[in-house]
Amino acid sequence: AQSVTQLGSHVSVSEGALVLLRCNYSSSVPPYLFWYVQYPNQGLQLLLKYTSAATLVKGINGFEAEFKKSETSFHLTKPSAHMSDAAEYFCAVPEGAQKLVFGQGTRLTINP
Amino acid sequence: GAGVSQSPRYKVTKRGQDVTLRCDPISSHATLYWYQQALGQGPEFLTYFNYEAQPDKSGLPSDRFSAERPEGSISTLTIQRTEQRDSAMYRCASSLGAGQEQYFGPGTRLTVT
Repeated sequence: AQSVTQLGSHVSVSEGALVLLRCNYSSSVPPYLFWYVQYPNQGLQLLLKYTSAATLVKGINGFEAEFKKSETSFHLTKPSAHMSDAAEYFCAVPEGAQKLVFGQGTRLTINP
Repeated sequence: GAGVSQSPRYKVTKRGQDVTLRCDPISSHATLYWYQQALGQGPEFLTYFNYEAQPDKSGLPSDRFSAERPEGSISTLTIQRTEQRDSAMYRCASSLGAGQEQYFGPGTRLTVT
């Protein structure tokens, strides 16, 4: 069975600083990997999706993630944090054709 | 509809009561999913539907939990004889088909007192 580990339940960065949110998956190489974002009082929104077409995936709002098979990782980055990036971020991997297996989430705080 | 909607957004109930949560998926979407998200955790799969069929109930925690989608559109999740450990955010998602991108609703936060 797949599992997803997100290192750091809380990450705090200054506005303008690099954002790095870590995600590692277990088991075999998945066909897809996802990052979702949850803004306060809203549903989960897809940030980006890895489909094996390219190891570096660009998403919305300036985020990108790089798939590294050797490290079983899919870390999320953004070069310069903005106050509006404050949210909770979830990494997810499909198990079978139906369900998504999520990490425990990382809450990102942006300091002015 | 324009997006996935869920109702109610918040529900407080007393232990032992039954609750029913509703999900209205995107109208063209065949597949509907239910997830449970405890505080400080990621969502965990409960069950899913392809139209009205429910091929996988493996994530339902106990027989107190049941879901239905009788006409292949709106779905309900019912929890009988609620317990405090049922307190969580319940999320619904829909997709065009199994394995396609899942679109999530805002969730229903259930509190059992």
